Amino acid sequence: DTAVSQTPKYLVTQMGNDKSIKCEQNLGHDTMYWYKQDSKKFLKIMFSYNNKELIINETVPNRFSPKSPDKAHLNLHINSLELGDSAVYFCASSQGRTATNEKLFFGSGTQLSVL
Amino acid sequence: AQKVTQAQTEISVVEKEDVTLDCVYETRDTTYYLFWYKQPPSGELVFLIRRNSFDEQNEISGRYSWNFQKSTSSFNFTITASQVVDSAVYFCALSVVTGANNLFFGTGTRLTVIP
Repeated sequence: DTAVSQTPKYLVTQMGNDKSIKCEQNLGHDTMYWYKQDSKKFLKIMFSYNNKELIINETVPNRFSPKSPDKAHLNLHINSLELGDSAVYFCASSQGRTATNEKLFFGSGTQLSVL
Repeated sequence: AQKVTQAQTEISVVEKEDVTLDCVYETRDTTYYLFWYKQPPSGELVFLIRRNSFDEQNEISGRYSWNFQKSTSSFNFTITASQVVDSAVYFCALSVVTGANNLFFGTGTRLTVIP
């Protein structure tokens, strides 16, 4: 069983479209995250949720909207996709409320290509 | 402000050679945690180690060892007798107890082990 699973693995779409990436964890963790990894491999946090409550909301365009229906799921919806949104998006989870001293478990990533 | 610097962008070694990946961090917090993550070609980030700021003991796990030196703010990672399977991007990360967004990644070092 995959601990943190995200779908789809690849997403190719046109500018202006709306798309969603789904993430589920079966570890019983309380906190989930979305990270963006750019073409230079730089990892930057976007959001974190603890028990469905938004904890971190970094400087991300409001076209990005996370949704956590329950603590095992954190989906990412992106409106009006732009070329600059092309990146790999990682979902992660941890047991505690923040990533302070927690080991993060990552999904395998979703490579988003906006044409 | 928190910062993690991995000055080595790419390293290539021949199989069985030893290699050290450097990590230098900056923080004014006295309590913090340091991590290493591995990102193999499959894309998923995998946790390797976590150290807290009060424990400067070096650690060895098989062919992997970590050298934590507060005096130089460094947390270097050495792979002994490298193998092709060690080829990956390695990320050093720092987390602090203050603030909600408290996990900061370096830009990664791409290690290629040549058979």
